[in-house]
Amino acid sequence: GAGVSQSPRYKVTKRGQDVALRCDPISGHVSLYWYRQALGQGPEFLTYFNYEAQQDKSGLPNDRFSAERPEGSISTLTIQRTEQRDSAMYRCASSLVYGSNTDTQYFGPGTRLTVL
Amino acid sequence: DAKTTQPPSMDCAEGRAANLPCNHSTISGNEYVYWYRQIHSQGPQYIIHGLKNNETNEMASLIITEDRKSSTLILPHATLRDTAVYYCIVRVANTGNQFYFGTGTSLTVIP
Repeated sequence: GAGVSQSPRYKVTKRGQDVALRCDPISGHVSLYWYRQALGQGPEFLTYFNYEAQQDKSGLPNDRFSAERPEGSISTLTIQRTEQRDSAMYRCASSLVYGSNTDTQYFGPGTRLTVL
Repeated sequence: DAKTTQPPSMDCAEGRAANLPCNHSTISGNEYVYWYRQIHSQGPQYIIHGLKNNETNEMASLIITEDRKSSTLILPHATLRDTAVYYCIVRVANTGNQFYFGTGTSLTVIP
């Protein structure tokens, strides 16, 4: 596709429910990243993949959060037993190559998650 | 990873140059300086990056001091559409490609 796409764009759920957020990176991009952004703050790193391998998940807040990218393309961020503090914009980004300091990341429009 | 310090907000008159400063005094030799911006609730948009030489592209210029402890992003002729939050980021070396954003500088271009 022309850019990074994310779905759904908006998600409202009740506390305790599980949610799955999807990211479709730019075609051919090797690396995929997940960020979370609270209102008025910069994006906060969660985790990233090179191909299908999860390279770093140190930014995931707790074990309710998980991510996968089974075929090295589309990725899903899953939040189990959602809590109100999980409400935020969840952003995905992709980049063409990894292992280089000079590669740039392209961000998607984000999924606005609201937990009631 | 090196931390960055930016002023929380700045104003600039339309048509004038906007100069956005960033301090990164603990940057290491192989870390790059990146600038992104975020307009309203859109995803961050890449602007420019550099290591130690000044860089220019169609959007902006990046001036990095000789000691690399600070840099300035220059938008040569600011327009109303340049109103955004600008993030200065130092790229973590050898640990992958994740970015660590701060709170950035909120630039308001005034008509």
